Amino acid sequence: EVQLLESGGGLVQPGGSLRLACAASGFTFSSYVMHWVRQAPGKGLEWVSGISGSADKTYYADSVKGRFTISRDNSKNALYLQMSSLRADDTAVYYCAKGYCSGGVCRGPDWGPGTLVTVSS
Amino acid sequence: DIQMTQSPSSLSASVGDRVTITCRASQGISNYLAWFQQKPGKAPKSLIYAASSLQSGVPSKFSGSGSGTDFTLSISSLQPEDSATYYCQQYNNYPLTFGGGTKVEIK
Repeated sequence: EVQLLESGGGLVQPGGSLRLACAASGFTFSSYVMHWVRQAPGKGLEWVSGISGSADKTYYADSVKGRFTISRDNSKNALYLQMSSLRADDTAVYYCAKGYCSGGVCRGPDWGPGTLVTVSS
Repeated sequence: DIQMTQSPSSLSASVGDRVTITCRASQGISNYLAWFQQKPGKAPKSLIYAASSLQSGVPSKFSGSGSGTDFTLSISSLQPEDSATYYCQQYNNYPLTFGGGTKVEIK
């Protein structure tokens, strides 16, 4: 069974930094693209960032480019999101999501339960 | 960036009804389209991927169709537990993009 569990959320001041982590289990982690998706209170889903299985390719939404850094440690089955220069509009629940396909086998993403990041003074 | 336009933004239907939600992409995305269900306070749940493939464990009352720019999600025999917000997402190109969501309520 695929399991994803985010951690690291909390209250941070504007301009501050925070590092989110996602612990993965139940699948061959290094074989999948992984993503971060966020949802501001009362709003829709927004894709934030993605990283290839080997970590050689990273992708970002324009809204976080230059401020957020995605990374992964395949030896630990862990995904990370380093967030800096945080703004009030970064306040959201952040979800870790497993990518669609590996080795030609595809299915819809699995999601973690999310971790809340609140940016406020 | 590819814009995803969902309609309607909300709907209200009766138990047993069939409902259809539409998602339109601003450019062709082949069949790289997924549908998610989200209930309040919960993570999204995958329903459909590759436009029409049913996620394992999802009831067959959910179905998807379309290719290119126009896609639909249909829910047959609507039940109270189907009350949720539904999102489409394209995964043909980065940045991945979501539709604005459709809130489905039961009359």
